[in-house]
Amino acid sequence: NAGVTQTPKFQVLKTGQSMTLQCAQDMNHEYMSWYRQDPGMGLRLIHYSVGAGITDQGEVPNGYNVSRSTTEDFPLRLLSAAPSQTSVYFCASSVNRDFGEQYFGPGTRLTVT
Amino acid sequence: EDQVTQSPEALRLQEGESSSLNCSYTVSGLRGLFWYRQDPGKGPEFLFTLYSAGEEKEKERLKATLTKKESFLHITAPKPEDSATYLCAVQAGFGYGNKLVFGAGTILRVKS
Repeated sequence: NAGVTQTPKFQVLKTGQSMTLQCAQDMNHEYMSWYRQDPGMGLRLIHYSVGAGITDQGEVPNGYNVSRSTTEDFPLRLLSAAPSQTSVYFCASSVNRDFGEQYFGPGTRLTVT
Repeated sequence: EDQVTQSPEALRLQEGESSSLNCSYTVSGLRGLFWYRQDPGKGPEFLFTLYSAGEEKEKERLKATLTKKESFLHITAPKPEDSATYLCAVQAGFGYGNKLVFGAGTILRVKS
């Protein structure tokens, strides 16, 4: 099993551009999440999904959009990139409804200039 | 507001020098407390789940404990390969959805 994969690993955007961060898992997990990690701060939840077709907002959802058409994929869209979105983004999946034991991807480092 | 505070922010140990990392929390209705390890440039890796005060979990040189207000990650006779950032997270509240709140982490460096 590849686990949780994320692409790209690095990305530089200009302010106002849009892009999609890809996330896929091959463990048949129902629950998937997107986090951002900034220096000196804990991981913060952006959006999450409890199954195909079901998504909800986390702590910091503004400027991001998600959809979940299959169990395996959970892409994160940046609608109009801003410098405040410069961060490292992690996708995670969990078989447990309580999201306790999460499997994280390797991350995408995004810089918005 | 649910909060998780980890201390110290950074810790330097000599190989074999045991110590503890602290995770204090204030949440409304704790469902679980989780410890993760994160190596530079990688995603967090799950270590432990603790559900109730008094519970303990062990894995190799690591032992996690839980009280009603805090959790400790004890590291016994650490080795350089234990160097990493250790993250604590709590799941609070009841009902549907994810309410996992992470602390900022403790950066551990073990020198040989």
